[in-house]
Amino acid sequence: NAGVTQTPKFQVLKTGQSMTLQCAQDMNHEYMSWYRQDPGMGLRLIHYSVGAGITDQGEVPNGYNVSRSTTEDFPLRLLSAAPSQTSVYFCASSPWTANSNQPQHFGDGTRLSIL
Amino acid sequence: QQPVQSPQAVILREGEDAVINCSSSKALYSVHWYRQKHGEAPVFLMILLKGGEQKGHEKISASFNEKKQQSSLYLTASQLSYSGTYFCGTGAPGGYQKVTFGIGTKLQVIP
Repeated sequence: NAGVTQTPKFQVLKTGQSMTLQCAQDMNHEYMSWYRQDPGMGLRLIHYSVGAGITDQGEVPNGYNVSRSTTEDFPLRLLSAAPSQTSVYFCASSPWTANSNQPQHFGDGTRLSIL
Repeated sequence: QQPVQSPQAVILREGEDAVINCSSSKALYSVHWYRQKHGEAPVFLMILLKGGEQKGHEKISASFNEKKQQSSLYLTASQLSYSGTYFCGTGAPGGYQKVTFGIGTKLQVIP
């Protein structure tokens, strides 16, 4: 059982380049989310989705786009990379409930550097 | 708003106990606790829900004080494997699993 799989694990980009961070889960979870983790700032929610075709913004959505065409996949797109987007990105998934009472399963992260 | 965790860092000797606090400026509905080791993904420890339901780790306990809008994580008889950064996150009713995390508490257990 693979759980939540993120690719790539590491990436270096130049300012202005675009790229897509991939996230896939095989647990049939409805809820998926993207966080970024920066030193001293904890995990901050970028975007989330409660099912295919449904996405919404989190705390720090600027500069990122998402889409959810299938239950399994939730890619995160950086449209024009900026040095401020250098971070570790985590994807997480959980079963959907209306009561915030399910644990989130995290992927291993993507370490992204923008030069 | 991010919940506030305290302390920010703590060093323990093996066998000692620790308490990590998580305070919210909003009414608490659910509190999630995760531990992250360096270079790894956060791992689920525990969820506490308004009304007392609790799901989680058998060797770690936590409390949920609705009135104080605070949760505390209790680590007893600490082991070297307890080292890592502990995050609390808060959820909201109707929040569809959306969790807002604090900045973390770094815990180091030394021999």
